[in-house]
Formats: sequence, structure tokens, C-alpha cells
Amino acid sequence: GAVVSQHPSRVICKSGTSVKIECRSLDFQATTMFWYRQFPKQSLMLMATSNEGSKATYEQGVEKDKFLINHASLTLSTLTVTSAHPEDSSFYICSANRGPTYEQYFGPGTRLTVT
Amino acid sequence: SQELEQSPQSLIVQEGKNLTINCTSSKTLYGLYWYKQKYGEGLIFLMMLQKGGEEKSHEKITAKLDEKKQQSSLHITASQPSHAGIYLCGADLIQGAQKLVFGQGTRLTINP
Repeated sequence: GAVVSQHPSRVICKSGTSVKIECRSLDFQATTMFWYRQFPKQSLMLMATSNEGSKATYEQGVEKDKFLINHASLTLSTLTVTSAHPEDSSFYICSANRGPTYEQYFGPGTRLTVT
Repeated sequence: SQELEQSPQSLIVQEGKNLTINCTSSKTLYGLYWYKQKYGEGLIFLMMLQKGGEEKSHEKITAKLDEKKQQSSLHITASQPSHAGIYLCGADLIQGAQKLVFGQGTRLTINP
């Protein structure tokens, strides 16, 4: 199966700082990458969809100025949490697919803790 | 209210027993995906169903999508400790949008 990696796997940062999370498709070119957020014991919530070379599409209620997404290439998307606050602490998971009829492959997730 | 309802929310079964997890929507499921997640980790893709009446199997896991494409079930035969985890169904509720909506998940525990 296709492999998606995320880096870092865990990050602790101080309130007010920014954190960047990388998502890479290792063995395929991803036309679209997705960013999800998961709170403890809850399901995944889609935050945004990004296509290479174009602006990300954010879901309702997700602040685009706070969660900056850059999709620089067909194998890399980054999520930057700007001016992080404790309520941003969560598990962030990315996914990628080869195209609209293909399944999404998920990364291992990044646990962000803001102190 | 949840667009995708999973049931049960948690399940404890004896090793070797069969079990079924259901995923139901009031909307058409244009693509239905089953994933497994261990707590604090990423999702492992299990199966994708797209056609009404479709059924797929892999090892001891079988997934079905009903004819109306509004309900899917995941059946595990002769459960093993390795089957323990959280099972999530995800679905495309808008054709071609590729935006997955997930159910709440079913936490499966296998007792030896």
C-alpha cells in the first residue's frame, strides 16, 4: 500500500509560537492532500483540502490564517499552526490520494501539545 | 447530529468469536472506507466500497455496502487479539468531493 509520512510525530511548544507539520507521500504522487484533526476519543474532523500549486480549501469554522497550509509539490504538504494556544493541542493527521477514485492513505499523525 | 452513525461504540468479544460493526447514513454513500486505528496512531486502510451491493474480503475481515448505498457493515470472523483497535468508517457524502466524513468509531477489545 501507499505510504504517507508525517513529521514530527510529537511536538511540544509554548503558547504564542508557531509549529510546522510536514506530510509526505513517499511512494506516489498525491494530487490532493487532506488535513484532519482528532480530539481524544473522538473521530477525525476534516480541516482543509489542499491541491498542489493552489490555495487550500478550508472547512467551515477552520481559521485559514491560523492554520496555514502549503502544498509545495505533489509529495509534500505542510500545516503551520500559527500563534498556537493550548486549545490547539490535538492530534493532527494528514492523508493523501492519487486521484478522486482512489482511497486516502493516512499518515501516522502528529501530536501537538501547547503549553 | 452525526452524518455517519457507527454502532456499537464499543465492543468486547471473546477471542475466536465473530463480530459485526455497522455504519449508517441518511445520505448516499458515494465511497465508503473502513479504517483501523490504534489509539494515538494513524489510520490503516482496510477496504473501500463504491458500488451498491459490493462486498470485499481480506483475510478474516469482510465489508459490505448495501444496495441503497446508505449502510455498510464490517464483519470479523474468528476474532484474534490483533484485531483489537478502533474501527472507523469514512464516507464521501458528496460525489466527487473527496471529502471524507467519519463515524465516531468503534472501539474493539478482544478478550483471550
